[in-house]
Amino acid sequence: EAQVTQNPRYLITVTGKKLTVTCSQNMNHEYMSWYRQDPGLGLRQIYYSMNVEVTDKGDVPEGYKVSRKEKRNFPLILESPSPNQTSLYFCASSLKGNLNYGYTFGSGTRLTVV
Amino acid sequence: GDSVTQMEGPVTLSEEAFLTINCTYTATGYPSLFWYVQYPGEGLQLLLKATKADDKGSNKGFEATYRKETTSFHLEKGSVQVSDSAVYFCALSSTNNNDMRFGAGTRLTVKP
Repeated sequence: EAQVTQNPRYLITVTGKKLTVTCSQNMNHEYMSWYRQDPGLGLRQIYYSMNVEVTDKGDVPEGYKVSRKEKRNFPLILESPSPNQTSLYFCASSLKGNLNYGYTFGSGTRLTVV
Repeated sequence: GDSVTQMEGPVTLSEEAFLTINCTYTATGYPSLFWYVQYPGEGLQLLLKATKADDKGSNKGFEATYRKETTSFHLEKGSVQVSDSAVYFCALSSTNNNDMRFGAGTRLTVKP
């Protein structure tokens, strides 16, 4: 089944403790992206990747890192999480950087930082 | 920059009622337009899309027409069901095609 898989689905952590949210897609998509969803704000892009070893900042990149060493994986790293990063996170992929194909989304990761 | 504005929610309807969720956009060039649906506890799913002016996207009884003259892409369904209860997001892919802009989402609740 073609899908984007995120892990974990739920995570509660403490301020300052480094964490990684994994994202993997099995569709050979070139483009991958991370979003955060907050009430009343819709989805805001954190980082995106046009292809392997090519990443760039989205609208809200502060406090996050990403890497794209392989085509299928695009992990999101929070080096020192803070409470304002409590949010619902989605990974998404698209066949090409031309987003006319639309996105396939993962099921989401609900992160709480206390 | 490019942006999407969609109808504030929440929207509550009775089963078999007619649905309209308004969406307007601001963009340079000719973006592609999308509607996504998010069911409780799940990620967003592509519902329909239109890639050029006057195109109509349709899926599962939902429709939306790309209106360049009014910069709109309103979502409609003739007869909603309880199973349509979800959050609906309007989105556009920017003309530089490196980003997708989403509206804030509209929560729809359909009561039996």
